[in-house]
Amino acid sequence: EVQLVQSGAEVKKPGESLKISCKGSGYRLTSYWIGWVRQMPGQGLEWMGSIYPYDSDTRYSPSFQGQVTISADKSISTAYLQWSSLKASDTAMYYCARRSGSYPAYYFDYWGQGTLVTVSS
Amino acid sequence: QSALTQPRSVSGSPGQSVTISCTGTSRDVGGYNDVSWYQHHPGKAPKVMIHDVTERPPGVPDRFSGSKSGNTASLTISGLQADDEADYYCCSYAPNYTLFGGGTKLTVL
Repeated sequence: EVQLVQSGAEVKKPGESLKISCKGSGYRLTSYWIGWVRQMPGQGLEWMGSIYPYDSDTRYSPSFQGQVTISADKSISTAYLQWSSLKASDTAMYYCARRSGSYPAYYFDYWGQGTLVTVSS
Repeated sequence: QSALTQPRSVSGSPGQSVTISCTGTSRDVGGYNDVSWYQHHPGKAPKVMIHDVTERPPGVPDRFSGSKSGNTASLTISGLQADDEADYYCCSYAPNYTLFGGGTKLTVL
């Protein structure tokens, strides 16, 4: 069974750093892109970026380029999303999702349960 | 890149049909047969209902169907059921980026 299991909820202060994780099981992580999706309170889904764990090829949405870092450790089937200096506006639910399909038709077929990040002084 | 345009809300009574539109541009929705639709119940992970414009993943009822004309894609839900009440998001791929729609809240009256 394919599963993406994300790390638990985080409460941080502005300026702190954070790295959240997404561990895949039931399939070969290196064979699929993993995307990160943000949902701010009361708002819709936003694609942040995606990574191909096989070679760590990474693509970012222009809205998130330079604001976050996406990485992966294929040896432990885990993708990461990290911030070096959190802002209150980073408060949101973050989902990882596996991208399936083939060019040019892709979709997210499996999703993690979400990680709630709260940034507050 | 701007989010794809969806109506903020739609509603229907049990048994009726509703259609949710998703408008993009020729650089995304209109340029590729790569529109997917996600159902999102609060507190749960999103679930793919349609991919490749018209394809249903295993286990998704055939009450859910997708279509596209030009730069606008549509999700139609027929035979509405109470459990269909959720937020629905369209999504389109374009080279090197992925766009979601703003989301549509479906209310089953």
